[in-house]
Amino acid sequence: DAGVIQSPRHEVTEMGQEVTLRCKPISGHNSLFWYRQTMMRGLELLIYFNNNVPIDDSGMPEDRFSAKMPNASFSTLKIQPSEPRDSAVYFCASSLPSGNNEQFFGPGTRLTVL
Amino acid sequence: SQELEQSPQSLIVQEGKNLTINCTSSKTLYGLYWYKQKYGEGLIFLMMLQKGGEEKSHEKITAKLDEKKQQSSLHITASQPSHAGIYLCGADNTGNQFYFGTGTSLTVIP
Repeated sequence: DAGVIQSPRHEVTEMGQEVTLRCKPISGHNSLFWYRQTMMRGLELLIYFNNNVPIDDSGMPEDRFSAKMPNASFSTLKIQPSEPRDSAVYFCASSLPSGNNEQFFGPGTRLTVL
Repeated sequence: SQELEQSPQSLIVQEGKNLTINCTSSKTLYGLYWYKQKYGEGLIFLMMLQKGGEEKSHEKITAKLDEKKQQSSLHITASQPSHAGIYLCGADNTGNQFYFGTGTSLTVIP
């Protein structure tokens, strides 16, 4: 299996632009998580989906952030408009519908907003 | 909000030395997870502990969860440069909310 796939791996954009991050979970995994990692705040859970349905989006910082999961094999995290403080590494993770909740992480997208 | 405190924040050890990283929660945990992150990469699952007093080992890494299920320790025996990275504990509560600790950066000097 290829593991969790994220694209792009790096994104540099200007303030005010729309940014879309993409994630393909591992086939068969029914839970998908979006995290943000910064030096100041560490690793934060933004939102997670179970069977394509958003379960907890309390970690989404503002209305500028939105996430979708149109099907079991694809999810997007969109920031519109982007701001310099959104610069971070964004990770996507997926897990099986089992009791141990082991999450498999993608390589991350490093976002820089100028 | 639930928080996981890790200590120490960073650790520098000589190759071959043993070390311990701690993770403390103010509330009883449903499950405690240990992950390792190499610099610039995603997280890799190490172990999961669920029962009070549980202990698990993988190669030279041993993790324990205390009886109250509020504190866990990760112990590395005879550390090697390949152990270097950031170690994060993670936890979920009965509401299925998942969150991570503050992280411990480990450097192993050859």
